[in-house]
Amino acid sequence: GAVVSQHPSWVICKSGTSVKIECRSLDFQATTMFWYRQFPKKSLMLMATSNEGSKATYEQGVEKDKFLINHASLTLSTLTVTSAHPEDSSFYICSASGNEETQYFGPGTRLLVL
Amino acid sequence: DAKTTQPTSMDCAEGRAANLPCNHSTISGNEYVYWYRQIHSQGPQYIIHGLKNNETNEMASLIITEDRKSSTLILPHATLRDTAVYYCIVRVGGSGSARQLTFGSGTQLTVLP
Repeated sequence: GAVVSQHPSWVICKSGTSVKIECRSLDFQATTMFWYRQFPKKSLMLMATSNEGSKATYEQGVEKDKFLINHASLTLSTLTVTSAHPEDSSFYICSASGNEETQYFGPGTRLLVL
Repeated sequence: DAKTTQPTSMDCAEGRAANLPCNHSTISGNEYVYWYRQIHSQGPQYIIHGLKNNETNEMASLIITEDRKSSTLILPHATLRDTAVYYCIVRVGGSGSARQLTFGSGTQLTVLP
């Protein structure tokens, strides 16, 4: 299957700082990438959808100015959590889709904001 | 996208087949059935998907009823590593562009030694 990587795998930061998470499709070109968030014992919730070269589409309730998404190439999307607060602590997971419509997921990034 | 219903949890003995059911009674003609699983603290892993025909790959088999209102994911010889939450997701396909996946609660499969 297709491989999607995320970096970093975990990060601890102070409240008020910004954190950037990278999502890469390693062996295919991803025309669409998705960003999900998962709180403990909960299911994945979609945050936003991004198409290469376009602005991301955010789900209702997700602040676009707080969660900045860039999808500048067909193999890389980044999510920046700006001015992070403890309530932003979560498991952030990206997925990528190429010409076929199956989504392949990254391993996730665990964020802890102190 | 159609809603799915799955049992909350299931147990299976190691080496035996694990049969995970999913109901999707409101599925439309252009909606596919996707199965993913999530092992603890990892990203979801794609397993298999189908439209109306049964499908098989190296990981599992997908059996879709003739009326398409339900399906069963079969892991033929479950191992301890198959312990995970299994998600059945119904989603429109064939449009040529990716659409979001809506995750429900899934089924926690525990493979017992």
